[in-house]
Amino acid sequence: AQKVTQAQTEISVVEKEDVTLDCVYETRDTTYYLFWYKQPPSGELVFLIRRNSFDEQNEISGRYSWNFQKSTSSFNFTITASQVVDSAVYFCALSEDTGFQKLVFGTGTRLLVSP
Amino acid sequence: GAVVSQHPSWVICKSGTSVKIECRSLDFQATTMFWYRQFPKQSLMLMATSNEGSKATYEQGVEKDKFLINHASLTLSTLTVTSAHPEDSSFYICSVLGGISYNEQFFGPGTRLTVL
Repeated sequence: AQKVTQAQTEISVVEKEDVTLDCVYETRDTTYYLFWYKQPPSGELVFLIRRNSFDEQNEISGRYSWNFQKSTSSFNFTITASQVVDSAVYFCALSEDTGFQKLVFGTGTRLLVSP
Repeated sequence: GAVVSQHPSWVICKSGTSVKIECRSLDFQATTMFWYRQFPKQSLMLMATSNEGSKATYEQGVEKDKFLINHASLTLSTLTVTSAHPEDSSFYICSVLGGISYNEQFFGPGTRLTVL
């Protein structure tokens, strides 16, 4: 069975600090996809990134970066120089590459960035 | 990506009544849609996979007679919560399966249901 673990339930930082959100996953599939979503207070999910299991290159997008380590089944997300607008709940998710691509979500990490 | 809308964005109803939530794919013909439920401060849990023209596939523990899903067209799926009770109060989110390789989900803005 697939499982996603986000051990950090809530993180509080002060603006301009760097913060890393952890994600550990379990799957028996050899091909799968990993995702990060942001959910601001409005509730709408905002897609941040998708990574397939064969691409272990780290990725940087502005202040966001992702570290995919297949050896440790982790897909961590770092926000550099955090801003108040980054305050949200962040979900890591995993989908199989067969059938209907069902998504399994982690429990989420609530990030609070204070001025 | 696909643009997905939900209606209503929020609804309050009395216990025992039924509520219908619509999920529309505005710019994409969606063969497959998903329905999720999110309780306060919890994660999204998949309720069912909806396929156009056929019966929905429900996840374990989700009552198919209580949560009726209809996917009668390629742009519309509906979720009806029948005989709603306060414990059904939740945030319901739909998504559309699409993308270049047909393996991405595009999410609607969600519907907040409060049952009094």
